[in-house]
Amino acid sequence: GIQVEQSPPDLILQEGANSTLRCNFSDSVNNLQWFHQNPWGQLINLFYIPSGTKQNGRLSATTVATERYSLLYISSSQTTDSGVYFCAAVGSGNTGKLIFGQGTTLQVKP
Amino acid sequence: ETGVTQTPRHLVMGMTNKKSLKCEQHLGHNAMYWYKQSAKKPLELMFVYNFKEQTENNSVPSRFSPECPNSSHLFLHLHTLQPEDSALYLCASSQDQLYEQYFGPGTRLTVT
Repeated sequence: GIQVEQSPPDLILQEGANSTLRCNFSDSVNNLQWFHQNPWGQLINLFYIPSGTKQNGRLSATTVATERYSLLYISSSQTTDSGVYFCAAVGSGNTGKLIFGQGTTLQVKP
Repeated sequence: ETGVTQTPRHLVMGMTNKKSLKCEQHLGHNAMYWYKQSAKKPLELMFVYNFKEQTENNSVPSRFSPECPNSSHLFLHLHTLQPEDSALYLCASSQDQLYEQYFGPGTRLTVT
């Protein structure tokens, strides 16, 4: 089945800095999502982006399906951006089987 | 608030107990899912239901028994669990199996 790898595993930023999180996947995808998991465990949907580019406020994401990677950009980071960011994908030929990466743990310092 | 609710939010149970986790979605979706998140491990898909029919069982031990009485409700029945089953159990739903999944807040389970 599809494999999903995220980098870096950990990231520490000063408030106001920009960052890029990467997600590599091993096969073509039907679905690719980015999530932010808050300290209480809730997964918050950031982007549904099997291809193309989307923006939502200070966050944006780009998926280059032909090269099998996706990037999540965080600009002007805030302390509330801290937490774990997950990329997850459903490989083509599969339905519903969302495979998660290991996550990137982000800490934004004031 | 994602439109997916889970109860209870926290559960402590002994290895001989029987308990059930409940998930309800208010989004009109047709597919529902159970995931498990253990410490130091990525989220793992357990079960997939589409239009009340189970379409995926990811080699889950039989001590976990799912039930989907309708497209809005999903249960996970637990019996004779092991301490290593302690984890965060997350429910999700989507319009169908190819579309964006939305997650509930999870049930944090501790098996003693």
